Amino acid sequence: EAQVTQNPRYLITVTGKKLTVTCSQNMNHEYMSWYRQDPGLGLRQIYYSMNVEVTDKGDVPEGYKVSRKEKRNFPLILESPSPNQTSLYFCASSFNGLYGYTFGSGTRLTVV
Amino acid sequence: DQQVKQNSPSLSVQEGRISILNCDYTNSMFDYFLWYKKYPAEGPTFLISISSIKDKNEDGRFTVFLNKSAKHLSLHIVPSQPGDSAVYFCAASGGNKLVFGAGTILRVKS
Repeated sequence: EAQVTQNPRYLITVTGKKLTVTCSQNMNHEYMSWYRQDPGLGLRQIYYSMNVEVTDKGDVPEGYKVSRKEKRNFPLILESPSPNQTSLYFCASSFNGLYGYTFGSGTRLTVV
Repeated sequence: DQQVKQNSPSLSVQEGRISILNCDYTNSMFDYFLWYKKYPAEGPTFLISISSIKDKNEDGRFTVFLNKSAKHLSLHIVPSQPGDSAVYFCAASGGNKLVFGAGTILRVKS
């Protein structure tokens, strides 16, 4: 089954403790992207990647890092999480980056 | 500055009637528009799309209309069903970016 898999689904952490949210896709898509969803703001892009070793900032990249060492994986790294990063995060992949995005089920992160 | 705006946070419709969800955009570089549907505890799923060279696209009960001069698109659902109750996101793409609106919560009452 074609899918995007994120882990974990839920995470509660403390301020400043580094964490990684993993994302993997099995569709051989070149484009991958991370979004955060906040009430009243919709889905905002954090980072995206057009291919292995090619990443770029989205609209809200501050406080986040990403890497794309393999085509299928696109982890999101929070080096020093803060409470304003409490949000619902979605990873997505696409064959061309413009449409046809498949989304993961989401990771609900709470930073206390 | 929000480039894609969904000005109605929520919409309530009776089963069997038409649901109309609206979306406005500001960037003339957008050339492809999409609607995504999201249920609680799930990721958004693609619903329907339209290219900027068209003004209408239909798929079963779902029709998307695009008015380029007004930078406005709308999603019509006819007839509305209780299972359509979800959050609907409008999105616009262009220049390697896919920008989403804030979403509209649709409630279809039986």
